[in-house]
Amino acid sequence: GIQVEQSPPDLILQEGANSTLRCNFSDSVNNLQWFHQNPWGQLINLFYIPSGTKQNGRLSATTVATERYSLLYISSSQTTDSGVYFCAVIDTGRRALTFGSGTRLQVQP
Amino acid sequence: DTAVSQTPKYLVTQMGNDKSIKCEQNLGHDTMYWYKQDSKKFLKIMFSYNNKELIINETVPNRFSPKSPDKAHLNLHINSLELGDSAVYFCASSHFYRRQGRTEAFFGQGTRLTVV
Repeated sequence: GIQVEQSPPDLILQEGANSTLRCNFSDSVNNLQWFHQNPWGQLINLFYIPSGTKQNGRLSATTVATERYSLLYISSSQTTDSGVYFCAVIDTGRRALTFGSGTRLQVQP
Repeated sequence: DTAVSQTPKYLVTQMGNDKSIKCEQNLGHDTMYWYKQDSKKFLKIMFSYNNKELIINETVPNRFSPKSPDKAHLNLHINSLELGDSAVYFCASSHFYRRQGRTEAFFGQGTRLTVV
């Protein structure tokens, strides 16, 4: 099956700093989503982005499908950004998301 | 107006018991899923139903049995619970919009199962 790798696995930032999270996937996909799992365990949809670039406030994401990677940018980080960020894809043969192992982000005041 | 809701949020039970987790979605989606999140936060698909038909059944002990009474509901029954079943279980739903080639999934709030 498709492999999804995320980097870095852990990230500690000071409030106000910027960061880039990366997601590499091993095969063609027709869906890519970024999620934030907050400290209470909820999985929050951030972006549906199989290709191109989207922005939502301080967050933006870019997927280059031909090169099989996606990037999530967090600018001016806040303590509420802490949690685990997951990338997940649906490959062309399945109808279920395969998740990466996540990036655990801690934003310190 | 919750999109995907699952109950209960927390479940503590003894080894050997049988328990159920319920999931409902009001998004009109045609596909529903159960995922398991282990202690290292890794999320893995367990089951997927499309229009009440089982389409994905990963390597899961047969003590786990999903049941979909209609397209809006997918329940998870677990028999003879074991310590290793302790995890967070997430329900999700999605819809394949063929014209746009788009499938976006939405998740419930999770059920933290603790087997003692």
